[in-house]
Amino acid sequence: LAKTTQPISMDSYEGQEVNITCSHNNIATNDYITWYQQFPSQGPRFIIQGYKTKVTNEVASLFIPADRKSSTLSLPRVSLSDTAVYYCLVGENGRANNLFFGTGTRLTVIP
Amino acid sequence: NAGVTQTPKFQVLKTGQSMTLQCAQDMNHEYMSWYRQDPGMGLRLIHYSVGAGITDQGEVPNGYNVSRSTTEDFPLRLLSAAPSQTSVYFCASSYGLAGSYEQYFGPGTRLTVT
Repeated sequence: LAKTTQPISMDSYEGQEVNITCSHNNIATNDYITWYQQFPSQGPRFIIQGYKTKVTNEVASLFIPADRKSSTLSLPRVSLSDTAVYYCLVGENGRANNLFFGTGTRLTVIP
Repeated sequence: NAGVTQTPKFQVLKTGQSMTLQCAQDMNHEYMSWYRQDPGMGLRLIHYSVGAGITDQGEVPNGYNVSRSTTEDFPLRLLSAAPSQTSVYFCASSYGLAGSYEQYFGPGTRLTVT
């Protein structure tokens, strides 16, 4: 079961770019890296997923170095509505459905 | 599409009672999972299913049963509720294995066992 390590919390001012780094030293060859966002009293919501290099969508970018032992979620120009907990997951492609959510990173955006 | 729906939203049980948490999805996803989330913690996998008739245990399966008779439904049964099962329960579904595909989560069921 591949586990991840993230900072417990981060603060940022509105309009800034936020980078949240996740460590996953035991990532396996077939593992994907996925990030979820969770607001209080709601289920997690998918943000972005990648395997290597860089992935970008309409809300975030995901940077993965060549050794894939870490990844960085980048949120451009955050707003108050981005205040949430962010989870980094490493998934085992082709195997069981088991994922480790960990405690995530609590991002607080300050006005 | 309604996505993933869960009922009830809230439930209070006495120790020893049994109940079933309902989960349904209308996206024709093969893969469904149940997680629990304790205060200040991440989600932990209870049971999952890779298709109708196929289920398996996750990280914390004790005290819970599941079955998958249809693609749409994946109920979670608490056999004899204990205070340690007080938690928020989330059901999720995905097109493929959760590690490789986006999971869609339901709104959750907040369970209190007294």
